[in-house]
Amino acid sequence: DTGVSQNPRHKITKRGQNVTFRCDPISEHNRLYWYRQTLGQGPEFLTYFQNEAQLEKSRLLSDRFSAERPKGSFSTLEIQRTEQGDSAMYLCASSLAQGGDTQYFGPGTRLTVL
Amino acid sequence: GDSVTQMEGPVTLSEEAFLTINCTYTATGYPSLFWYVQYPGEGLQLLLKATKADDKGSNKGFEATYRKETTSFHLEKGSVQVSDSAVYFCALSDRTGGFKTIFGAGTRLFVKA
Repeated sequence: DTGVSQNPRHKITKRGQNVTFRCDPISEHNRLYWYRQTLGQGPEFLTYFQNEAQLEKSRLLSDRFSAERPKGSFSTLEIQRTEQGDSAMYLCASSLAQGGDTQYFGPGTRLTVL
Repeated sequence: GDSVTQMEGPVTLSEEAFLTINCTYTATGYPSLFWYVQYPGEGLQLLLKATKADDKGSNKGFEATYRKETTSFHLEKGSVQVSDSAVYFCALSDRTGGFKTIFGAGTRLFVKA
């Protein structure tokens, strides 16, 4: 399967703990996006990378959130000192930079903060 | 900023009924428009897209036409099936925004046998 993959699929953590999620994009895609989806809402943009460069961050991305894409392939999203309000589905998507308006989404990581 | 507004759900239809889900958008540039579908327990899947005015996107019997004059991209299907039950998201992306996608809140569709 050459689609976007995300790990873990589910994460339960206690408030105050740090968590890290991983996204592996489609191999030839050089753009990678992170979104957050809460229950009953559409996904909201968090950040995106072109290759290893992080080109935009949403104001939703507080200083407790950090994302990396060190070699322009997989990406990680870390949340430090988790809060209950961080409970959501975290989605990753990838696309081509050339004519890349179509994004392909992974299955998501569901985070529950107790 | 750019935004997408779609009709609230849930929408409940009987099998073989006609479906319309309304979607309007606000954008400063010339965005591409999309419909994504999320089946129960699954991830987002691209259903169809249109990249310029008057384009019609179609897939699996669903259609939507990019109407610049009314800033709309309504989703239609002539005869729904139980298997179409899902949440449908209207979305846009604009090259001026790095192609990040802006989504509507989603419309849940239930189709009864």
